[in-house]
Amino acid sequence: DIQLTQSPSFLSASVGDRVTITCRASQGISSYLAWYQQKPGKAPKLLIYAASTLQSGVPSRFSGSGSGTEFTLTISSLQPEDFATYYCQQFNSYPRTFGQGTKVEIK
Amino acid sequence: EVQLVESGGGLVQPGGSLRLSCAASGFIFSDYYMDWVRQAPGKGLEWVGRIRNKANSYTTEYAASVKGRFTVSRDDSKNSLYLQMNSLKTEDTAVYYCVRATGAFDVWGQGTMVTVSS
Repeated sequence: DIQLTQSPSFLSASVGDRVTITCRASQGISSYLAWYQQKPGKAPKLLIYAASTLQSGVPSRFSGSGSGTEFTLTISSLQPEDFATYYCQQFNSYPRTFGQGTKVEIK
Repeated sequence: EVQLVESGGGLVQPGGSLRLSCAASGFIFSDYYMDWVRQAPGKGLEWVGRIRNKANSYTTEYAASVKGRFTVSRDDSKNSLYLQMNSLKTEDTAVYYCVRATGAFDVWGQGTMVTVSS
C-alpha cells in the first residue's frame, strides 16, 4: 500500500498568512494526487486534483504542486473560511489512501 | 444539482449486518465509478471500496480491512449505490460517505453514521 505522510499535522496561522502543507508518498505516484478540505461535521470537499489542477469553483488562493513522491498545497492568503482540516489522497493504485490530515487553526 | 444522499446507518451489534444506500441525482449515474469512504469518530479518512461502471463490467475493489465482509453494488436503473456490511466489528464504527470517482473524489454525500456496539 502507498503511505501518504502529511506535514505538519497541526498548523496555527493568522488571516492573511501564506500556508504550505506537504504530502509525501512512500513510492512514486506521478501526479495522481488530490487535496480535500473538511470542516467539522461536514463532508470533505475536493480542492485540487492531478496534483495541481484547481477544482471548479475553488478560490485561486489555493494551489497545488509536485509530482512523484513530494507534493504541496499552498494557500496564498489564509481567509477565515479556510480554517479546516486538509487531506491529501492518492489515486495511482489500490487501495486508495489518504494522508493523516493537517488541521489549520487560528493563531 | 449534482447530489448524493446516503441512508441506512444506525446502531448494530458486533457480528451483525447493515445495508447502506446512496441515491444519486443531477448526473448520469451509470457513467461513473462510485466509491465508499469512511471516517471513524475523530479520525481521518479511509477508503472502503469501489464499483466500476457497466462498461467496465461492474468490477469491484476493496480495502483489506473490509474485503470478504463488505460488498459494493449498484442499480443504475434506480441511480443507487449500496454497501452491504456483514460481520460488523466495533472498528467499523464510522461515518460512511458515498462518493463519485473521476480519478479524485469530486462529489461527496453528507454521510451516514454506523455505530457497531453491544
